[in-house]
Amino acid sequence: EDKVVQSPLSLVVHEGDTVTLNCSYEVTNFRSLLWYKQEKKAPTFLFMLTSSGIEKKSGRLSSILDKKELFSILNITATQTGDSAIYLCAVDDMNRDDKIIFGKGTRLHILP
Amino acid sequence: GAGVSQSPSNKVTEKGKDVELRCDPISGHTALYWYRQRLGQGLEFLIYFQGNSAPDKSGLPSDRFSAERTGESVSTLTIQRTQQEDSAVYLCASSPRTGNQPQHFGDGTRLSIL
Repeated sequence: EDKVVQSPLSLVVHEGDTVTLNCSYEVTNFRSLLWYKQEKKAPTFLFMLTSSGIEKKSGRLSSILDKKELFSILNITATQTGDSAIYLCAVDDMNRDDKIIFGKGTRLHILP
Repeated sequence: GAGVSQSPSNKVTEKGKDVELRCDPISGHTALYWYRQRLGQGLEFLIYFQGNSAPDKSGLPSDRFSAERTGESVSTLTIQRTQQEDSAVYLCASSPRTGNQPQHFGDGTRLSIL
């Protein structure tokens, strides 16, 4: 059965800390892995990863994919209170008629 | 429109009533997805449309749930004879096509069944 597992499920750190969020997956025919940030309402797109070892960066956020070990990490450096959100990992499986499988998310809370 | 629009934003109804949730995708997006998110949980896939057809309905929790899409645009998710366990946020997303395209999400409909 396809699955996407995120860890930790929740994390509380102080402003300025660096955090690493994990996403492991098992899918039949991997196409891509996506990270989203969900604050109050709509998840917003962060990164899409298709190739191993190529880091994607956007400001203080970065992400990398390991297709051999079947996982991805999302790093946030110098965290700010505005980074508090649920971070969702999703995987696109070509064999599943493009059903995007989401993990349960990591709830990140940044203390001022 | 500029983004995915969902209505109503909030819906409170009594157990046993039918509800209809609406999603207006980004213009030109052929793929449309419905998800359910229970409090503190991740996104549970319900159904997706490619154009007006739904290749995968396997995520629909029961036969009380149905969805349709017309004109490769608006979609409605209907829940009949609502139960308390249907209480959740129902999110809609669209993308230019299926596969390798990030989805753009609406703000969701928060459904509360009394």
